[in-house]
Amino acid sequence: DQQVKQNSPSLSVQEGRISILNCDYTNSMFDYFLWYKKYPAEGPTFLISISSIKDKNEDGRFTVFLNKSAKHLSLHIVPSQPGDSAVYFCAASAVLFGNEKLTFGTGTRLTIIP
Amino acid sequence: DSGVTQTPKHLITATGQRVTLRCSPRSGDLSVYWYQQSLDQGLQFLIQYYNGEERAKGNILERFSAQQFPDLHSELNLSSLELGDSALYFCASSAILAVTYNEQFFGPGTRLTVL
Repeated sequence: DQQVKQNSPSLSVQEGRISILNCDYTNSMFDYFLWYKKYPAEGPTFLISISSIKDKNEDGRFTVFLNKSAKHLSLHIVPSQPGDSAVYFCAASAVLFGNEKLTFGTGTRLTIIP
Repeated sequence: DSGVTQTPKHLITATGQRVTLRCSPRSGDLSVYWYQQSLDQGLQFLIQYYNGEERAKGNILERFSAQQFPDLHSELNLSSLELGDSALYFCASSAILAVTYNEQFFGPGTRLTVL
């Protein structure tokens, strides 16, 4: 049972444009959501997170939006840069329920076209 | 550099063997997590330790075990290895437990190849 889903395995975006990566979840107990970026042969790198009490969190070029009623979150990257090319994983946890483990989606490979 | 270190970086071994993967968390982090990433799959949670005690278990096989030592480093032991155990094994650490939100910081991983 895939509790965190990233339905787009890949996405290509022109440099300078907006990249939008999507993630859906099914577990209502999730209350903390994170995005990680991963380059080949490296560990995931934390990008940005959002708790369920917010609907938006911004950090520089990265913004995460959370729609709890739709159980959907998205990561916006503006403007997209070539160095953003990587695999992006959405992850969720149920921290306030005492469950800190991360449940990951299967990832979206983002390619920024120069 | 996340501050989480993992050794070895690569490990090649044969079926039926036993290996130990080592992880040192970021300075001050009490919680350690182990994840497995098989080919073309997302990261799967295996087990979590907090300050030396097992905190949560995921889809960890009985052939696998882990522990966290008083200096907070952790080891993941994989025994009776099978071809399907070939994967990337990641360790992550975070500061404190629950009631607050903490991102997990990941090490570079150990690539295990079972021949």
